[in-house]
Amino acid sequence: EVQLVESGGGLVKPGGSLRLSCAASGFTFSSYSMNWVRQAPGKGLEWVSSISSSSSYIYYADSVKGRFTISRDNAKNSLYLQMNSLRAEDTAVYYCARVPARTAPYFDYWGQGTLVTVSS
Amino acid sequence: EIVMTQSPATLSVSPGERATLSCRASQSVSSNLAWYQQKPGQAPRLLIYGASTRATGIPARFSGSGSGTEFTLTISSLQSEDFAVYYCQQYNNWYTFGQGTKLEIK
Repeated sequence: EVQLVESGGGLVKPGGSLRLSCAASGFTFSSYSMNWVRQAPGKGLEWVSSISSSSSYIYYADSVKGRFTISRDNAKNSLYLQMNSLRAEDTAVYYCARVPARTAPYFDYWGQGTLVTVSS
Repeated sequence: EIVMTQSPATLSVSPGERATLSCRASQSVSSNLAWYQQKPGQAPRLLIYGASTRATGIPARFSGSGSGTEFTLTISSLQSEDFAVYYCQQYNNWYTFGQGTKLEIK
């Protein structure tokens, strides 16, 4: 069974940093591209960042470019999101999501999410 | 950026009836369109990809149609567990989501 479990969320002050993790199991993690998607309280979904299976290709939404860094450790079956210079508008539930194939780049499995709150 | 617009924002339907949700793209996304269902406190769940292909385990009462800029999600006979928020997503040019349609019990 595919499982994605996020962790690392919490309360942080504006300008602060946080590192999110996503632990994957039930599939060959190293074969899949992964993504982070966020959802502000009571709002819709916003794609944040993508990373290919071997980390060769990395992409960011303009809203986080230069502040967030996506990475992965295939040996540990883990995905990460380093978030720096956090702003109030970064407050959201952050989900990790799997892409089933390069030719099918939608999100077939999602974790349960981890809440990041940026507030003084 | 491709803007996805869903309508209506809220749809009130009685159990057993049909629900039709719409999604429009600001430019063609071909058939690179997915639908997700989200219940309160839960992660989104993939329903439809490729505009019309049901994901694994999704009941046949869910169907998707359309291509280019106009898309529809139809739920043929609403069950109690179908009342949720539905999002469309284009993956033709990066990723953008619609703002969601809340399907509520009438």
